[in-house]
Amino acid sequence: DTEVTQTPKHLVMGMTNKKSLKCEQHMGHRAMYWYKQKAKKPPELMFVYSYEKLSINESVPSRFSPECPNSSLLNLHLHALQPEDSALYLCASSQLRGVTEAFFGQGTRLTVV
Amino acid sequence: AQKVTQAQTEISVVEKEDVTLDCVYETRDTTYYLFWYKQPPSGELVFLIRRNSFDEQNEISGRYSWNFQKSTSSFNFTITASQVVDSAVYFCALANSGGSNYKLTFGKGTLLTVNP
Repeated sequence: DTEVTQTPKHLVMGMTNKKSLKCEQHMGHRAMYWYKQKAKKPPELMFVYSYEKLSINESVPSRFSPECPNSSLLNLHLHALQPEDSALYLCASSQLRGVTEAFFGQGTRLTVV
Repeated sequence: AQKVTQAQTEISVVEKEDVTLDCVYETRDTTYYLFWYKQPPSGELVFLIRRNSFDEQNEISGRYSWNFQKSTSSFNFTITASQVVDSAVYFCALANSGGSNYKLTFGKGTLLTVNP
């Protein structure tokens, strides 16, 4: 099973809302990632979790708050977002033995109004 | 600093044509990893291949083939006898061997359209 599942697939939220994106994998991967992708652009790394601990934060604004409650789940909590935060948010996971391929979910298309 | 350049922004071909997607990379590391991903309109990035810097063997997988040349810092991707289902954005990416946490540096992507 090489699947990363993200929910919801689409999300529209107001600038004062609080919402969460969810990501789940059952491949036994101990590294999980959040990427942000604007239209016609490549994905940009936001966060990396290793063994459920935050290991990389690419200077992401605090209105994005990641959480890794266990080795299979990764959340991204959203609060007070701006319209320019509208994008495709991709979750990925990989093994932690060296540099192996990352498997991506289908993403959540977020629109901030 | 690492950089990946995909000079072709968009390519349009007719079904059954062969097409090559170019990828040129820059890195100061001696150990690094190169990837190709496919992103169909559904949004998911689909892993195609990973190659480390010590393995310059070219690879063929069905209609797909990859040409890795360290001398020119290139990792090109060829689709033989293209099909409409190959239409997607293709990303070349580079990662260093920075321990267990690695960051993928993506090129800007090439939009491939295969017309019937």
